[in-house]
Amino acid sequence: TQLLEQSPQFLSIQEGENLTVYCNSSSVFSSLQWYRQEPGEGPVLLVTVVTGGEVKKLKRLTFQFGDARKDSSLHITAAQPGDTGLYLCAGAGGTSYGKLTFGQGTILTVHP
Amino acid sequence: DSGVTQTPKHLITATGQRVTLRCSPRSGDLSVYWYQQSLDQGLQFLIQYYNGEERAKGNILERFSAQQFPDLHSELNLSSLELGDSALYFCASSHTPGTGNDEQFFGPGTRLTVL
Repeated sequence: TQLLEQSPQFLSIQEGENLTVYCNSSSVFSSLQWYRQEPGEGPVLLVTVVTGGEVKKLKRLTFQFGDARKDSSLHITAAQPGDTGLYLCAGAGGTSYGKLTFGQGTILTVHP
Repeated sequence: DSGVTQTPKHLITATGQRVTLRCSPRSGDLSVYWYQQSLDQGLQFLIQYYNGEERAKGNILERFSAQQFPDLHSELNLSSLELGDSALYFCASSHTPGTGNDEQFFGPGTRLTVL
């Protein structure tokens, strides 16, 4: 069974601070996807990383896939209240084929 | 808007009943995935269909079943409902059959409450 450990579970910070969310596994994934979910809505895809060591930037968000494709991180620079939400990492491939294995999520609150 | 639609948005029913959740994938997507999200278990994969055929199965109970129709919409049937089945049910779609690099796009979900 593939598992993804996501940390921290909760993060409460002030506007302007930087933060990093981690996603770790003992399994290898073909790709790693990051989603953001608002209460009562479906997860929205932010980015997909495929290659070991890959770094992708989306404005103030930086995503990295580990060299061994077992871990990933999401770094947010100068967080804003609009970044508040549930962030989920999800691994695909390996022994799980197309299904996504989700981490437990990180609830981020950015205070103005 | 992801392009994936789900109905109904909310469903309230009693224990022992049966309900059907419906999903229409994004235009051109052939794969449909069903996930269950609860507070204690997070997002859990239930089942995947690709072009009408079951492709992968996850932690889906025997009381639950699904199918994908020729027009590619999918239905998730939940029967003999229990209190513990109360959760958000999401449908996602992707263009490819599940090769590991697929990007999945999620619908808005159906919130099921079993009383």
